[in-house]
Amino acid sequence: EVQLVESGGGLVQPGGSLRLSCAASGFIFSSFAMSWVRQAPGKGLEWVSGLSGSGGSTYYADSVKGRFTISRDNSKNTLYLQMNSLRAEDTALYYCAKAQDIGSSRRGFDYWGQGTLVTVSS
Amino acid sequence: DIQMTQSPSSLSASVGDRVTITCRASQTISSSLNWYQHKPGKAPNLLIYAASSLQSGVPSRFSGSGSGADFTLTISSLQPEDFATYYCQQSYNIPYTFGQGTKLEIK
Repeated sequence: EVQLVESGGGLVQPGGSLRLSCAASGFIFSSFAMSWVRQAPGKGLEWVSGLSGSGGSTYYADSVKGRFTISRDNSKNTLYLQMNSLRAEDTALYYCAKAQDIGSSRRGFDYWGQGTLVTVSS
Repeated sequence: DIQMTQSPSSLSASVGDRVTITCRASQTISSSLNWYQHKPGKAPNLLIYAASSLQSGVPSRFSGSGSGADFTLTISSLQPEDFATYYCQQSYNIPYTFGQGTKLEIK
């Protein structure tokens, strides 16, 4: 059974940093691209960042480029999101999501975690 | 970036109704369009991928159509468990943008 479990969220002051983790199980983690998707309170879904199965290719939304870094440790079956220079508008529930296909996210995200809440406030 | 626009933003319907949600992309995206159902406190659930392919385990009352820039999600006969928010998402170009969502409520 595929499972994705996020952790690392919490309350942080503006300008601060946080690292999110997503522990994966039930599939060959290194074969699949992964993404982070967030939902701000009362808002819709926003794709934040993604990376290839090897971790060699990374992608970011303009809203987080230069502040967030996505990475993965395939030996630990874990996805990460390092978030620096956090802003109030980064407050959201952060989900990790697995691409349905090996090597491509074209056919959508077939498994999602339950999310971890990040609150940026003084 | 590709902008995705859903309509309507909200919709009231009754159990048994046929419901259609539309999604328009700001440029052609071929068939790289996915639909998700999202309920409060739950993870989003992939319903339709590649515009018209039903995800495994999803009831057949859900269907998708369209290509190019215009797409639809249809629920043929609403069930109580279908009341949720629905999102389209393009996977043609990065960033993988979502529509703003359509909240489906009980009439």
